[in-house]
Amino acid sequence: EAGVVQSPRYKIIEKKQPVAFWCNPISGHNTLYWYLQNLGQGPELLIRYENEEAVDDSQLPKDRFSAERLKGVDSTLKIQPAELGDSAVYLCASSVSGTGDAYEQYFGPGTRLTVT
Amino acid sequence: DQQVKQNSPSLSVQEGRISILNCDYTNSMFDYFLWYKKYPAEGPTFLISISSIKDKNEDGRFTVFLNKSAKHLSLHIVPSQPGDSAVYFCAASANTGNQFYFGTGTSLTVIP
Repeated sequence: EAGVVQSPRYKIIEKKQPVAFWCNPISGHNTLYWYLQNLGQGPELLIRYENEEAVDDSQLPKDRFSAERLKGVDSTLKIQPAELGDSAVYLCASSVSGTGDAYEQYFGPGTRLTVT
Repeated sequence: DQQVKQNSPSLSVQEGRISILNCDYTNSMFDYFLWYKKYPAEGPTFLISISSIKDKNEDGRFTVFLNKSAKHLSLHIVPSQPGDSAVYFCAASANTGNQFYFGTGTSLTVIP
């Protein structure tokens, strides 16, 4: 079974530029999460989708961040414009909802963003 | 406001000995807890979980203990192996959805 796929793995951009990250969850996983992980910190939730609906985006900085999951499968997270403080690892995770395994989230390898 | 805390940033243990990683939480509504293991340049991997109706869950060399009154959980690895060297995160959820709050991680080094 393929795991959660994220691309790109690494991205270096100049501040004020836009950037987008892509995530393809595990097949059949209807819940998708985007996390932000700063150096030396644990993952922090940015947004959670149930199918195509964003059910929790309270931690997403909506002035510059946006996300979509149009067909309830893969998802894109965008930052426009990027700031120096956005340098971090962006993790995508997925899980099956409504079953005994609902709490087990499977993470992708992450995208390491460096804003210069 | 850090609701899940891992106060030891690092831990070194000799191969074959027991590794004990600790985690404290502040939210009494948390009722489900997980441990994740993370290698460099990879995403976290689920290790073991425990719900608040239990005080212990065991899976092979890994055992998680939960002390609800102290709002404390610990992960025991015995015997420790060099391949266990990684960063370990604990996470907690209040069953209000699938939102988990993660600790800052403990970097475990198992010395051969």
